[in-house]
Amino acid sequence: EADIYQTPRYLVIGTGKKITLECSQTMGHDKMYWYQQDPGMELHLIHYSYGVNSTEKGDLSSESTVSRIRTEHFPLTLESARPSHTSQYLCASSEIGGGANYGYTFGSGTRLTVV
Amino acid sequence: AQSVSQHNHHVILSEAASLELGCNYSYGGTVNLFWYVQYPGQHLQLLLKYFSGDPLVKGIKGFEAEFIKSKFSFNLRKPSVQWSDTAEYFCAVRSGANNLFFGTGTRLTVIP
Repeated sequence: EADIYQTPRYLVIGTGKKITLECSQTMGHDKMYWYQQDPGMELHLIHYSYGVNSTEKGDLSSESTVSRIRTEHFPLTLESARPSHTSQYLCASSEIGGGANYGYTFGSGTRLTVV
Repeated sequence: AQSVSQHNHHVILSEAASLELGCNYSYGGTVNLFWYVQYPGQHLQLLLKYFSGDPLVKGIKGFEAEFIKSKFSFNLRKPSVQWSDTAEYFCAVRSGANNLFFGTGTRLTVIP
């Protein structure tokens, strides 16, 4: 069972609303990630963090923002949701340094639908 | 730029059939290679990984993968699939300190 938790699991929200997707991990991992996953498409990295107060944009441009105030917490925020944001959002974590050998641990994902 | 190709989008097999899912990557340097599995309604889980040594790696649930450097490939295999193997399988590549790059995934459906 993964020690990385995402809430909510499903979310349906109206256009223009502000939303925050939560991600927490209990493994003490320094590095955390947000991926966007659409059916039939590869997982796209949208944000990552090396540790507290570190945030970087990933390979896929996203209108979302992230913060890393605590090691275990890496929330993703959309200030004004649009239907184009409808997707599955996956959070993951890994260790720095030895992380290349250990792979990532993923959360269960948040399936977001913007209507 | 790095890329990961999984050519099979959807594979349908009967139970006990043998499985091979293709994965090719484009990167000339040292790589770490992974296969992840996502069972219906569950999170992505690490199936197996390669970072050095024996190019034939064994993972959980009877899966194995072979790293062939000359072909830039890391194909996933299982001699005899079960209905419970129905899932989506993702190949991923990491080079150096870079982040993981994932393929588009292959959906496997095993018919009892």
